[in-house]
Amino acid sequence: SYELTQPPSVSVSPGQTARITCSGDALPKQYAYWYQQKPGQAPVLVIYKDSERPSGIPERFSGSTSGTTVTLTISGVQAEDEADYYCQSADSSGTRWVFGGGTKLTVL
Amino acid sequence: QVQLQESGPGLVKPSETLSLICTVSGGSISSDYWSWIRQPPGKGLEWIGYIYYSGSTKYNPSLKSRVTISVDTSKNQFSLKLSSVTAADTAVYYCARTNPIAAAGSGYFDYWGQGTLVTVSS
Repeated sequence: SYELTQPPSVSVSPGQTARITCSGDALPKQYAYWYQQKPGQAPVLVIYKDSERPSGIPERFSGSTSGTTVTLTISGVQAEDEADYYCQSADSSGTRWVFGGGTKLTVL
Repeated sequence: QVQLQESGPGLVKPSETLSLICTVSGGSISSDYWSWIRQPPGKGLEWIGYIYYSGSTKYNPSLKSRVTISVDTSKNQFSLKLSSVTAADTAVYYCARTNPIAAAGSGYFDYWGQGTLVTVSS
């Protein structure tokens, strides 16, 4: 099976920059996507195709890639950004679509 | 704006078949791909599979032997059947519009339903 690895938690103070990483062997070949999920709500797409931002998503959300690691960066973190964040991608053949285990972002 | 709504029984007995329907509004089902995704309580997300309006499907290999996804374009609905359920299948089940990236074989989910909790218990 194929896995994406995320840190369980990240903590930042308001106004600082949060970086959430996601590692997977196939990421040099496959796009990564990022979702924000607040308690009791469905996930929301915040980044697609590594670094594209859907309409309506604030500019403080950005994505980048380097080798087998992709990173979601939230600049000028706000209290409302506190949530779980999941990366998603596929194995090298595109057979298995998988999510990372999720990262809980805490705004101190 | 596309909206999705899941419906179906909230309680299923072990060994039986879980059945859910997703109703799409604000757009036609006959132009896109549609997925089921689940999330056990307190845990992460798992993609179950997707269907194209034409009926072609792609399933998570780990669930493929138990999953059937079908589409009813006349009702703008698609459905999930998961057979031989156990307590491990207890989860919130989401339906979502899916955007496959043909060249890569991956894809993403841009519109989600609110989710429905299905509990497997006798």
